[in-house]
Amino acid sequence: EPEVTQTPSHQVTQMGQEVILRCVPISNHLYFYWYRQILGQKVEFLVSFYNNEISEKSEIFDDQFSVERPDGSNFTLKIRSTKLEDSAMYFCASSVPGQGNEQFFGPGTRLTVL
Amino acid sequence: AQSVAQPEDQVNVAEGNPLTVKCTYSVSGNPYLFWYVQYPNRGLQFLLKYITGDNLVKGSYGFEAEFNKSQTSFHLKKPSALVSDSALYFCAVRDMDSGYSTLTFGKGTMLLVSP
Repeated sequence: EPEVTQTPSHQVTQMGQEVILRCVPISNHLYFYWYRQILGQKVEFLVSFYNNEISEKSEIFDDQFSVERPDGSNFTLKIRSTKLEDSAMYFCASSVPGQGNEQFFGPGTRLTVL
Repeated sequence: AQSVAQPEDQVNVAEGNPLTVKCTYSVSGNPYLFWYVQYPNRGLQFLLKYITGDNLVKGSYGFEAEFNKSQTSFHLKKPSALVSDSALYFCAVRDMDSGYSTLTFGKGTMLLVSP
C-alpha cells in the first residue's frame, strides 16, 4: 500500500540554524500539507500546497517558513532560522483532489531545537 | 472558524467491552468529519470519515462513528475493544462550504484497553 514518507525521522539543530524537512507524498496525490504537533498538544495545520503554489496557510506559517516541490516527488518544509518554540513533530500529508477525501499522513519528523 | 472538542483526555475500557470516544465540532457550514489514530512514534492513520449520507459510518479495524447533526457530534465507537486498540485518537473537521481543505484537529483522546 502506498504511503507518505518523511526524512529525517529526528533532526536536532541549534537555535538560529536553517532546517529542511523532507517528504515524499503518495505518487498520484496532488494536494500536500504540513502540520505540526508540539509535545502534548493538538495537531496544528501549517500550510497546504497545490499546483506548485501555497493554497492556504495558518498564522503559524510566518516568513521563517517556506515550502517547495523541487522535483516531481519531494515536498519540503524549510525553517530559515529556528527558534526553541519550533521544537515539535512535523507531519507531512497528501491527498487527491476533493474536499471529502482523507489526507494520508507520514510518520513525522521530530525537530529538536537547542 | 472551525473547531473540534474531545472532552476526554483518556478513556479506559476492558478488553471485550464496547468503547466510545467522544467528539463534538463547530463549523459555520456543513462538516466533513474524520477520525485518525496515532500509535506511539507513528504518524496519523485514517480510520473513517463522514461526508454525506448514512449517519453511521464504518471504518477500519471494526470502528464506526455516528454523525449527529443536532448535537454536532461524531463519536467513535467499537462494539468490542481489543488491547491493540490502545492508542491516541484524533477527531478532525473540515468545513465543506469554505472551499478550503484545512483539517482542524481535536486535542486527542488516549484510549487504554486493559486485558
